[in-house]
Amino acid sequence: GNSVTQMEGPVTLSEEAFLTINCTYTATGYPSLFWYVQYPGEGLQLLLKATKADDKGSNKGFEATYRKETTSFHLEKGSVQVSDSAVYFCALSDRHSGGSNYKLTFGKGTLLTVNP
Amino acid sequence: GAVVSQHPSWVICKSGTSVKIECRSLDFQATTMFWYRQFPKQSLMLMATSNEGSKATYEQGVEKDKFLINHASLTLSTLTVTSAHPEDSSFYICSASDRAAYEQYFGPGTRLTVT
Repeated sequence: GNSVTQMEGPVTLSEEAFLTINCTYTATGYPSLFWYVQYPGEGLQLLLKATKADDKGSNKGFEATYRKETTSFHLEKGSVQVSDSAVYFCALSDRHSGGSNYKLTFGKGTLLTVNP
Repeated sequence: GAVVSQHPSWVICKSGTSVKIECRSLDFQATTMFWYRQFPKQSLMLMATSNEGSKATYEQGVEKDKFLINHASLTLSTLTVTSAHPEDSSFYICSASDRAAYEQYFGPGTRLTVT
């Protein structure tokens, strides 16, 4: 079955530091990959996505590249801000899973805290 | 676009009572809606998937008689927690999918506290 493994953290950085959150996946078919962000007390917001190999998703300074050869989708940001403090979830959606086309499989989430 | 709302955002109920949570897609037709449960500091656990006009498909281990899901229209799904107990206290999140987009759009979540 499908699975997503991401570094569990917590990750604590100083403002303007470089961020990497690793994510690897196992899937049948041709998954789409996502990063979601959850701010305290809120639901999930889509941060970025990639739908095929070598695609790069980017948003708000965050980037992730769909690497089929390493089955990875690592999240990066060159200079984090205090406002980036949140929980980040890596997820995949397998488009070829028949009746469960849109079923998302989530990693366990990584708590990021950015200190001023 | 692709906004999903949930109501209420926070509800407190007494043990033994039932509570209904609504999930609405505001600007698109949601052919499929999903209900998740999230425990503190943990990932989302998919409870069930519902397609408009059909019975919901529940994940293994989720009691369908306790968590009643109705997807009566392309913009509304409801989750009713029946005979709630303190262990049902959790953060419930819905998401909706438009088949054409094949990605899920999440609601802001509902925090349920059962006393």
